[in-house]
Amino acid sequence: QVQLQESGPGLVKSSQTLSLTCTVSGGSISRGGYYWNWIRQHPGKGLEWIGYIYSSGSTNYSPSLNSRVTISVDTSKNQFSLKLSSVAAADTAVYYCARGFPYYYDSNGSVSHRFDYWGQGTLVTVSS
Amino acid sequence: IQLTQSPSSLSASVGDRVTITCRASQGISSYLAWYQQKPGKAPKILIYAASTLESGVPSRFSGSGSGTDFTLTISSLQPEDFATYYCQQVNSFLPLTFGQGTRLEIK
Repeated sequence: QVQLQESGPGLVKSSQTLSLTCTVSGGSISRGGYYWNWIRQHPGKGLEWIGYIYSSGSTNYSPSLNSRVTISVDTSKNQFSLKLSSVAAADTAVYYCARGFPYYYDSNGSVSHRFDYWGQGTLVTVSS
Repeated sequence: IQLTQSPSSLSASVGDRVTITCRASQGISSYLAWYQQKPGKAPKILIYAASTLESGVPSRFSGSGSGTDFTLTISSLQPEDFATYYCQQVNSFLPLTFGQGTRLEIK
């Protein structure tokens, strides 16, 4: 059974960099074909996709966060990480990591994947 | 790309048939998934490819649609179905946007 677990500081100061790690157990993160995603949810609000890193190392980020986001993977630790720079109060949210399981490869090269395993989420508060 | 769900919230009773709609701002073929989220929990995948039921999900859940208009239907509401539902576009060439959510409450 695959499990994901987010970890990192629950409190970050404004203008600093938020850093979170997602540890994957029950399966190797280096096994090809999966997408490793970060999603966040502002208090009482909906889900916002942040970005993913593919097993090849390629990344795709939300355009609204692209200038501040970096997602990386550490296969030796079976972890992937999120860094969000220059945070502000608006970045206060529950942050989730999730595995993207591909199910369809289009002839144009796009890949559809569904988020089949999620972490429990971790609340990060940005303080001034 | 934007996904607009309707209604934003609804009240229904156990045993009711419920339909939630997700409209995309541009055509996304069948690149759509539906998730269920209960308070304090991570979302759970229900349907992908617009109409394919995830393994283990009860058959009272169904999805349909293609292009810009999609629906999630619960044929007979059960007490455990009261939750918030989200659609998501899943074409990797585009941002993997979620809809704003539909909160399903007990009447």
